[in-house]
Amino acid sequence: ETGVTQSPTHLIKTRGQQVTLRCSSQSGHNTVSWYQQALGQGPQFIFQYYREEENGRGNFPPRFSGLQFPNYSSELNVNALELDDSALYLCASSTTSGNTGELFFGEGSRLTVL
Amino acid sequence: EDQVTQSPEALRLQEGESSSLNCSYTVSGLRGLFWYRQDPGKGPEFLFTLYSAGEEKEKERLKATLTKKESFLHITAPKPEDSATYLCAVQAAAGAGKSTFGDGTTLTVKP
Repeated sequence: ETGVTQSPTHLIKTRGQQVTLRCSSQSGHNTVSWYQQALGQGPQFIFQYYREEENGRGNFPPRFSGLQFPNYSSELNVNALELDDSALYLCASSTTSGNTGELFFGEGSRLTVL
Repeated sequence: EDQVTQSPEALRLQEGESSSLNCSYTVSGLRGLFWYRQDPGKGPEFLFTLYSAGEEKEKERLKATLTKKESFLHITAPKPEDSATYLCAVQAAAGAGKSTFGDGTTLTVKP
């Protein structure tokens, strides 16, 4: 069984630039969620995708956007980067089958904005 | 708004010294309460799901319990390899899959 994979693992951007983070979900999982984790804090929900549609969104501005593809992989795009966007971005996959709710996380993408 | 508060922020134990981590929560209609373990620089790893007050789950040296307002993660005779940050999260019944996390308890177990 293949787990959740994310790329890139680390990246450095400057303020105002745009970034795209990628995620492949765990085999058999049809739902992908994205979380932002600042240093020393718990993950904050950005949004969730199910069947290529956004299925819930947290308190993040529209410059955070996403996509889910037919193979259930996903992208997170952030435009006009700000210094406070520096964080670990976590992708989590889950399945609606059984509806148990637990999340399976990737290792994350560490974004530094200078 | 759903809220999760974990205490203590940090806990240092000697190997074999049992203790408990607390997770207090408020949520409109609990769908599930989740415990995760997170090692430095890694993503969280799922441990347990609890659905209703009175429920208990066990895995090796860890036992999770749930009441209507809080959950405890009991660690019995911990080993150094149990050192990690433990995260608690809740999902509301009408939350469209959103998990609300606490800031975690960082556990250090000294040999």
